[in-house]
Amino acid sequence: DTEVTQTPKHLVMGMTNKKSLKCEQHMGHRAMYWYKQKAKKPPELMFVYSYEKLSINESVPSRFSPECPNSSLLNLHLHALQPEDSALYLCASSQDASGSYKTGELFFGEGSRLTVL
Amino acid sequence: KNQVEQSPQSLIILEGKNCTLQCNYTVSPFSNLRWYKQDTGRGPVSLTIMTFSENTKSNGRYTATLDADTKQSSLHITASQLSDSASYICVVKGAGNKLTFGGGTRVLVKP
Repeated sequence: DTEVTQTPKHLVMGMTNKKSLKCEQHMGHRAMYWYKQKAKKPPELMFVYSYEKLSINESVPSRFSPECPNSSLLNLHLHALQPEDSALYLCASSQDASGSYKTGELFFGEGSRLTVL
Repeated sequence: KNQVEQSPQSLIILEGKNCTLQCNYTVSPFSNLRWYKQDTGRGPVSLTIMTFSENTKSNGRYTATLDADTKQSSLHITASQLSDSASYICVVKGAGNKLTFGGGTRVLVKP
């Protein structure tokens, strides 16, 4: 199984709502990532979890709150978002985040399309 | 500053024709270079990963080349199909786990 599963596929929320994006992988990977992608732009790294600990936060606003309950699951909690936060949110995983794995190949999920009204 | 530049930004080709996409990078130190294919509204899918010592790597009709001396890579698509219509993203892995993404090339294959 080489899949990274993201839910929901589409989410529409108001600026006062609280919602969560979920990501799951069963490849035994120990690194998981959240990326944000605007239309016609490459993905931008938001967070990296390595062995269930937050290792990188790319200066993301606190209205985005990541959580890694266990090695297979990654959540992104959303609160008080702005319309400019509308984007495709991609989850990815890799063997590990230390760079010691031979290639560090990244496996992406299908993404969650978020629209903030 | 680590950068990955891709060209062209977009191109249109006729079904059955070949095309070549370019990627120039300034990432240092260099670990590996990846090409991803991303269909509209979906997650990127890995096509190839190349390390310093690899010059050419193929995946079906996709062939990637790497010149680590000039810091250039190319992705050649042979006998294009309508399903090749997508964005192709060049990603370079540098020190640690840092990935630098290129801006992508949007390919449209027309019948």
